[in-house]
Amino acid sequence: KAGVTQTPRYLIKTRGQQVTLSCSPISGHRSVSWYQQTPGQGLQFLFEYFSETQRNKGNFPGRFSGRQFSNSRSEMNVSTLELGDSALYLCASSSTSGGAAYDTQYFGPGTRLTVL
Amino acid sequence: QKEVEQNSGPLSVPEGAIASLNCTYSDRGSQSFFWYRQYSGKSPELIMFIYSNGDKEDGRFTAQLNKASQYVSLLIRDSQPSDSATYLCAGREYGNKLVFGAGTILRVKS
Repeated sequence: KAGVTQTPRYLIKTRGQQVTLSCSPISGHRSVSWYQQTPGQGLQFLFEYFSETQRNKGNFPGRFSGRQFSNSRSEMNVSTLELGDSALYLCASSSTSGGAAYDTQYFGPGTRLTVL
Repeated sequence: QKEVEQNSGPLSVPEGAIASLNCTYSDRGSQSFFWYRQYSGKSPELIMFIYSNGDKEDGRFTAQLNKASQYVSLLIRDSQPSDSATYLCAGREYGNKLVFGAGTILRVKS
């Protein structure tokens, strides 16, 4: 089975711009979660989508948004980019909604976003 | 605020030794815990998960969970230089939302 794929892998933007990142989960997986990883804050949960519905949201401003399509692919959008948005953005794929203790998530390679 | 705490390290062990990585969590409601390994410049890779009190073994790795003490650990036996990485402990908060610790840097010296 192919793993989680994310595009693009690297992105350079300037302050004020917006960006869209894409994630394709493992085939058959219906849950996609997004995380931001920075040296200072570590890995922080952004939001989760399951069957096209946002189920969970982390403590990030409204500039961060996402959606999921019927084929389970997900996109994340960040508007009005700030310098502090420079980070590795990771998506994680799971076959279930996380209702069972043994449900696991698998990460994609990430998108490295640099905001200048 | 639900938190997962890890010693940032670095933890240095000689090749062939047992590496012991520890993690504590604040949320008594957390039911399952995960250990991810992250090499520099790469994404986290799932090593093990545990949700029952006690030990769970998988090859050279043993995860231990003590819910009463809110403590999770990962033992790596016969440590190899290729085990050198950052090890992330995570607890499930709700659904697929994981709360991660800051990670422990492990260095295995040959």
